[in-house]
Amino acid sequence: GDQVEQSPSALSLHEGTGSALRCNFTTTMRAVQWFRKNSRGSLINLFYLASGTKENGRLKSAFDSKERYSTLHIRDAQLEDSGTYFCAAEAGSNYNVLYFGSGTKLTVEP
Amino acid sequence: EAAVTQSPRNKVTVTGGNVTLSCRQTNSHNYMYWYRQDTGHGLRLIHYSYGAGNLQIGDVPDGYKATRTTQEDFFLLLELASPSQTSLYFCASSDTTEVFFGKGTRLTVV
Repeated sequence: GDQVEQSPSALSLHEGTGSALRCNFTTTMRAVQWFRKNSRGSLINLFYLASGTKENGRLKSAFDSKERYSTLHIRDAQLEDSGTYFCAAEAGSNYNVLYFGSGTKLTVEP
Repeated sequence: EAAVTQSPRNKVTVTGGNVTLSCRQTNSHNYMYWYRQDTGHGLRLIHYSYGAGNLQIGDVPDGYKATRTTQEDFFLLLELASPSQTSLYFCASSDTTEVFFGKGTRLTVV
């Protein structure tokens, strides 16, 4: 369904710069998870948040269930950060079903 | 570390062909899922299961069957493959929090 709206769909950054990705939800979500799909097609878990913020290296994510959004901030971008980033939100079901955004294709250039 | 193994990694079949995609998880997770990922879309849920013998219908189930034979094994069956089912398929398992994905199976129906 269209429960998750992710933006931007594509993003180009120069090395050393930063930006933010955003997901808006049409309904209250219980948790959000961020993934990066690398060049080999694997989905790498970045963050799982039920609330608040988490930081890991140059990545920081926030989730506000009440305001229905989540963000992923990238700072000091490196070439290896290139890939497609997906947010996925968990609704109130008992089965951990995730609703995915359509992805953000990030290209980091020298 | 959570492990989800998909096989085959790549498959080409003809229209009308019979295909089985396999997924095994060694995480003792109750929940397993099959998603497909297509350009311009996030991952879309095909079928999922919360235990051996259980099957739940996802968002895009048409043309797919699934079977959960054991807690570890979840199969996706395409009995009459069509070109519209050309896609990248991801299997996943989860506990009550994070979801862990396999590396994907690229299926081409010619």
